[in-house]
Amino acid sequence: ETGVTQTPRHLVMGMTNKKSLKCEQHLGHNAMYWYKQSAKKPLELMFVYNFKEQTENNSVPSRFSPECPNSSHLFLHLHTLQPEDSALYLCASSQDKVAAQPQHFGDGTRLSIL
Amino acid sequence: GENVEQHPSTLSVQEGDSAVIKCTYSDSASNYFPWYKQELGKRPQLIIDIRSNVGEKKDQRIAVTLNKTAKHFSLHITETQPEDSAVYFCAAITNFGNEKLTFGTGTRLTIIP
Repeated sequence: ETGVTQTPRHLVMGMTNKKSLKCEQHLGHNAMYWYKQSAKKPLELMFVYNFKEQTENNSVPSRFSPECPNSSHLFLHLHTLQPEDSALYLCASSQDKVAAQPQHFGDGTRLSIL
Repeated sequence: GENVEQHPSTLSVQEGDSAVIKCTYSDSASNYFPWYKQELGKRPQLIIDIRSNVGEKKDQRIAVTLNKTAKHFSLHITETQPEDSAVYFCAAITNFGNEKLTFGTGTRLTIIP
């Protein structure tokens, strides 16, 4: 299934670098999500966009900056990250964010902060 | 907000036997409960979901039960096969006000051949 595509799959960066994660969905969905998955922790919701508008910021530090130029694309801009930010970052989409629609995930970006 | 607890964290089952994973939730207004399967190095994939207006749903070897009074729901896998080995996550969402999926901590299921 290639409905939700994330790039890059792996990223290693220093704490002073600036990089971006990209997510693209080909499912015609209107809602997109960023999640953080760390070892032995539940999936943590970071941001929610519905029809390109941010509707949820789950107390995420400002060193993570999301961007949603249209309903098919979602970015996560990273700068001055900390070692504890190393994790798998998953993007997901759903038809919309009401009525509890199933979410479809991408393969994630494995991020390592040196 | 919603809090979802999942047990056990690890589960080993002989091939052919059944596996049961249990979750409890705190918000009585939650009304949608999906289950995701995540194989090693792969994306979480929805395997089954249930809404609060039904008590049980089945799809081949997988079934989910919901007890709204006790606020718990369970995943049942029968006739387990090696390809069932994965991490399983439960989740809960409330439709009105805050449509945010809250996930459990996951159960690593290992099927022993």
